[in-house]
Amino acid sequence: NAGVTQTPKFRILKIGQSMTLQCAQDMNHNYMYWYRQDPGMGLKLIYYSVGAGITDKGEVPNGYNVSRSTTEDFPLRLELAAPSQTSVYFCASRLGQGLQSYNEQFFGPGTRLTVL
Amino acid sequence: QQQVKQSPQSLIVQKGGISIINCAYENTAFDYFPWYQQFPGKGPALLIAIRPDVSEKKEGRFTISFNKSAKQFSLHIMDSQPGDSATYFCAASIEAGNNRKLIWGLGTSLAVNP
Repeated sequence: NAGVTQTPKFRILKIGQSMTLQCAQDMNHNYMYWYRQDPGMGLKLIYYSVGAGITDKGEVPNGYNVSRSTTEDFPLRLELAAPSQTSVYFCASRLGQGLQSYNEQFFGPGTRLTVL
Repeated sequence: QQQVKQSPQSLIVQKGGISIINCAYENTAFDYFPWYQQFPGKGPALLIAIRPDVSEKKEGRFTISFNKSAKQFSLHIMDSQPGDSATYFCAASIEAGNNRKLIWGLGTSLAVNP
């Protein structure tokens, strides 16, 4: 069980470039999340997904896109990278609703992105 | 109303001492309060959590105290160790449509001196 995996670990982008941050989980979790973490600012939710084919915006979705074609994978796409997108990005997953509605979010190791 | 206010921003404690981190919230619809621990270069990981129908929960050296009337909760780390040096986030959970949302505090950086 690898849990939540993210690639790449580090990336430097030039302004205007685009890239996809990969996230995968092998726990058969329904819910998946993308957060960004900036120093002293806690975790901000970018997008989330409640299952394959269903995604929704979080607090800070501008400049990002997501898709969820399978239960396992939840890639985050940055189009036209800007310096404001310099951050550490975390993917997380959670089992689901009902009796498991309070269950914890499991986080990946993060991707550190710098946009110059 | 959706905020969770966490203090202090940073904390230095001597080995063997007690570390205390406080959080406050406004929205009484929050119904689950987890604490996450994050080591440098890693993602956050669940440390301990509490429901509002309980005033205290203890797991080893970690205790959550919950005051529903004051809308405050705190994390106490007894016998703090250098290995506890990390950033701690409190959070509050609320049902939001088809999701269960977590509202995060801004984090407390804890350093335990040997």
